[in-house]
Amino acid sequence: AQSVTQLGSHVSVSEGALVLLRCNYSSSVPPYLFWYVQYPNQGLQLLLKYTTGATLVKGINGFEAEFKKSETSFHLTKPSAHMSDAAEYFCAVSSGGSYIPTFGRGTSLIVHP
Amino acid sequence: EAGVAQSPRYKIIEKRQSVAFWCNPISGHATLYWYQQILGQGPKLLIQFQNNGVVDDSQLPKDRFSAERLKGVDSTLKIQPAKLEDSAVYLCASSLSPTGGVTDTQYFGPGTRLTVL
Repeated sequence: AQSVTQLGSHVSVSEGALVLLRCNYSSSVPPYLFWYVQYPNQGLQLLLKYTTGATLVKGINGFEAEFKKSETSFHLTKPSAHMSDAAEYFCAVSSGGSYIPTFGRGTSLIVHP
Repeated sequence: EAGVAQSPRYKIIEKRQSVAFWCNPISGHATLYWYQQILGQGPKLLIQFQNNGVVDDSQLPKDRFSAERLKGVDSTLKIQPAKLEDSAVYLCASSLSPTGGVTDTQYFGPGTRLTVL
C-alpha cells in the first residue's frame, strides 16, 4: 500500500520569502512522486514529477522538489514566493506498476504582501 | 488546445435525489478518470476508462454511483440516490495514452461542486 503525508494543512509566508511544503510518502517499491497545484475554482495542474534519474526535479513557476529516499521525502520549494503562488498544493505517490496517484490531504499556501 | 470541460460547475440537491455530471475530455485523449474530492482531502479515484472500457472501478460505490463513456469521448457520472456524504467536488481528468504510464500526464477539469442537503 502507498500513502502520502503532507505536514501542515496551512503554510503562511511573506512575498519574497522561501516556500517549503513538506511531503513524506510510504511505498514498498520505488515510487513515482508528484506535486499538483489547485487554484481556487480550478482543477489540478501538474507542477512536477519524479520518476527515475536525477533526484532534484524542476517544475513550472520556479518550483522544484528533491526526492530523498533515505528520508522518504519529496519536499516542494521555491526560493521566492509570489502572491500568485497562493493555492492548494497536493503531493501524490504512485508505485507498484500503477500510475494512478494516491493524493495527500493538501497544503494551503498563503502569501502575505 | 481546449482543456477538460465539466458541467455543471455547481449543483445543490436534497438527499435521496439523483444527479448527473458531464465531462468532455481533451480531444484525442484515450483515458478518462473521475475523482471525488471531499473537503479537506485529496482527490480519490472513482473510475478510470480507456476509450469506452472500464479499467478500474474498484473505489466506485456501485450501489449508488454509475458512470459511462459513450463512444470513447464524453462521460457522465451519476449518483442515485444521493447521500449527505456525497457532498464533494467531482473532478474529471483525461490523459493521452490508451495504455497509461507514469509519463502520461493527467489534465484535470475545473470540477463540479455537489452539495447534498
